[in-house]
Amino acid sequence: QVQLQESGPGLAKPSETLSLTCTVSGGSISRSSNYWGWVRQTPGKGLEWIGSTYYGGFTYYNPSLKSRVTISVDTSKNQFSLKLSSVTAADTAMYYCTRQSAGMVPEYWGRGTLVTVSS
Amino acid sequence: DIQMTQSPSSLSASVGDRVTITCRASQDISNYVAWLQQKPGKAPKSLIYAASSLQSGVPSKFSGSGSGTDFTLTISSLQPEDFATYYCLQYNTHPLTFGGGTKVEIK
Repeated sequence: QVQLQESGPGLAKPSETLSLTCTVSGGSISRSSNYWGWVRQTPGKGLEWIGSTYYGGFTYYNPSLKSRVTISVDTSKNQFSLKLSSVTAADTAMYYCTRQSAGMVPEYWGRGTLVTVSS
Repeated sequence: DIQMTQSPSSLSASVGDRVTITCRASQDISNYVAWLQQKPGKAPKSLIYAASSLQSGVPSKFSGSGSGTDFTLTISSLQPEDFATYYCLQYNTHPLTFGGGTKVEIK
């Protein structure tokens, strides 16, 4: 059974870079044909897809965040990561990592990690 | 971006009721719709993909239908564990976009 676990600081300062890691267990990122992605959730904007990557190199980002987002894979650690630069209070959210299958459907989800942007 | 308009935003229902939630896409997305369930304090859970295919382990009381721009999620007989918020998701076109959610509450 595939399991995902987010990790990273729960607090980020405005203008800094938010960095999160998702550790995958129960399956190998590099032996999978799945996409690995990030979704965030806020009370005001609901669920928002951030972006997805495939270990072979294809990466898709939400255009609304594209200039600030980087998603990458570390196959040696069976992890993938999210970096979001120049954060503001609007980036305060619950961040989920996902494994996407059947096209791009987020089938497996991590438990989520709350990131607050505040000075 | 494709807008997913979900209705109603909330509903009250009793155990045993049949519940239907709808989602309308702002353009034709074929059958590239998924439905998710989220309980308070938990991550969303994928129920249905390709408009009508159940994810593994999801009970058959959940069903989905539709194609093009109009889609529905039906719960045939509401049980206490089904009280949650439900979201639709289109994955036909990047960026993926979600509906605003339907909160199903106990009457």
